[in-house]
Amino acid sequence: DVKVTQSSRYLVKRTGEKVFLECVQDMDHENMFWYRQDPGLGLRLIYFSYDVKMKEKGDIPEGYSVSREKKERFSLILESASTNQTSMYLCASSSRWTGILYEQYFGPGTRLTVT
Amino acid sequence: TQLLEQSPQFLSIQEGENLTVYCNSSSVFSSLQWYRQEPGEGPVLLVTVVTGGEVKKLKRLTFQFGDARKDSSLHITAAQPGDTGLYLCAGPSGNTGKLIFGQGTTLQVKP
Repeated sequence: DVKVTQSSRYLVKRTGEKVFLECVQDMDHENMFWYRQDPGLGLRLIYFSYDVKMKEKGDIPEGYSVSREKKERFSLILESASTNQTSMYLCASSSRWTGILYEQYFGPGTRLTVT
Repeated sequence: TQLLEQSPQFLSIQEGENLTVYCNSSSVFSSLQWYRQEPGEGPVLLVTVVTGGEVKKLKRLTFQFGDARKDSSLHITAAQPGDTGLYLCAGPSGNTGKLIFGQGTTLQVKP
């Protein structure tokens, strides 16, 4: 059974704190993604990684950074958390693009509240 | 910029009713996907449509890809409470495996 796991389901942090969200996949996928999900806005891509140490900015990268030191692990970092980063964060993985649209497998999400 | 617009954004119906959710764009997509997300979980893929005019059925769910590959629809026959969730359409963004998502349709089916 394929699996994407996220380090926390719920997280409460204070404004200005550095926050780490961890994601691990066991499918040997090349691609990994971080999204944030807000009501009425769907899923918005924060960062995308297509290989170890390789990353690409998504649509809303401001205030975030990422790290991918191992193929199975993709971390999202909030350098200095702000209240407007309160959201649901979803990690996903997929096979490398070969011209075919592959399924993205999602973790259960981390609901982050910044107070 | 590619955009996917879903309608309606919210739907509340009684068990046994039929419904249709729409996903529209002004851009042509090579393929489109539909995902369902249940409360507290990540989205799960329901279907991928790749050919203009294609119709795919998954039990009581029927998916259609428009002839011009700019739109798609999801029709549910005789909805059940287990169909409750957020339905998202998604299409490829560029050629790296990234997706763009519609804003979602929240479906509530009351017993």
